[in-house]
Amino acid sequence: DQQVKQNSPSLSVQEGRISILNCDYTNSMFDYFLWYKKYPAEGPTFLISISSIKDKNEDGRFTVFLNKSAKHLSLHIVPSQPGDSAVYFCAASAGANNLFFGTGTRLTVIP
Amino acid sequence: DAGVIQSPRHEVTEMGQEVTLRCKPISGHNSLFWYRQTMMRGLELLIYFNNNVPIDDSGMPEDRFSAKMPNASFSTLKIQPSEPRDSAVYFCASSHPQGLAESDTQYFGPGTRLTVL
Repeated sequence: DQQVKQNSPSLSVQEGRISILNCDYTNSMFDYFLWYKKYPAEGPTFLISISSIKDKNEDGRFTVFLNKSAKHLSLHIVPSQPGDSAVYFCAASAGANNLFFGTGTRLTVIP
Repeated sequence: DAGVIQSPRHEVTEMGQEVTLRCKPISGHNSLFWYRQTMMRGLELLIYFNNNVPIDDSGMPEDRFSAKMPNASFSTLKIQPSEPRDSAVYFCASSHPQGLAESDTQYFGPGTRLTVL
């Protein structure tokens, strides 16, 4: 059973607007969360992460929010740019090395 | 650093043949992971190694799959015999030793796209 879920397989956003990608998890032992971005024919690349002791982490245009009580995290991209078009994977860790990934959300930013 | 290196980038083979995928992790990383990406299940962890030792292989789908890490700079994932349902993109990733701030961040290779006819 998927412990990390991304229920929206795709999202389209106009350039300059905000993109919000969502992720839900079921394992309350997860204490570290990451977002990866993947372009076609490339491996996923690390984008941003957040520890469970925080509820927000910001890096430039990218902000990750964590709601532990709801077991939910989201990635906000503002303003969205055409180069942000990619598949975004949410991942979670329970302290060991292995990560559990969601199935990904394909973001398309329309110029 | 060159990043995680995988070979081949593409592999097309016929059902029943043996397939070997190769991975060179980032120097200094002591954890190595093999993933499979499919449309239906996204990224699935197949197996991971710490200090060349397999730690969790519960994701390996069947006995047809095996992985080795003979040294810190090389790992293989073998499928024998291969079947059409094994067609997928296989990624290798590596991470820093545990205890460092970035230990949970994995760095991925470009993947091997496997097609079994």
